[in-house]
Amino acid sequence: KAGVTQTPRYLIKTRGQQVTLSCSPISGHRSVSWYQQTPGQGLQFLFEYFSETQRNKGNFPGRFSGRQFSNSRSEMNVSTLELGDSALYLCASSLLVGGQGGVEQYFGPGTRLTVT
Amino acid sequence: GQNIDQPTEMTATEGAIVQINCTYQTSGFNGLFWYQQHAGEAPTFLSYNVLDGLEEKGRFSSFLSRSKGYSYLLLKELQMKDSASYLCAVRTAYNQGGKLIFGQGTELSVKP
Repeated sequence: KAGVTQTPRYLIKTRGQQVTLSCSPISGHRSVSWYQQTPGQGLQFLFEYFSETQRNKGNFPGRFSGRQFSNSRSEMNVSTLELGDSALYLCASSLLVGGQGGVEQYFGPGTRLTVT
Repeated sequence: GQNIDQPTEMTATEGAIVQINCTYQTSGFNGLFWYQQHAGEAPTFLSYNVLDGLEEKGRFSSFLSRSKGYSYLLLKELQMKDSASYLCAVRTAYNQGGKLIFGQGTELSVKP
């Protein structure tokens, strides 16, 4: 079974631009969560989608948005990029929506975003 | 508020045993996870605890005390490949979003 895939793997953007990252979950998984990982803040939850609906949201500004398609693939968008948005963006998929038992999340390799 | 604390870094010797502690204060509790993350790679699932006690899985064991807001990951017979960051994560209650809140991670270095 193929794992979680994320595209692109690396991205360089300039301040003020916008960016869209893509995540394809493991086949059959309907929940997709997004995280931002930086050396200073660690892994921080952005949002979770299940069946095309945002179920949870972390404490990030409105510049960060996402969506999920009927095939469970998800995209994350960041508008008006800032230098502080430079980070590794990880996507994770699981069978069930968050909070339902010990359902583990499977992480993708991440997209390394650099904002200059 | 949500707070998860774990040591920033630890060093241990190959073949030895190491215990990585994690304390948490979160809005509700619906399970605690441990993940391993090698440099430049994605986190991989190690263990899950929702009830008090010890869960053993090969060389790795994880313990949970809900009343104390405390967990530890025990790694036995350390190998060089165990050098990685170990992330403690708590899932909040389902009726409070069921979010997965991560600690900063403990960087473990295994020396020969």
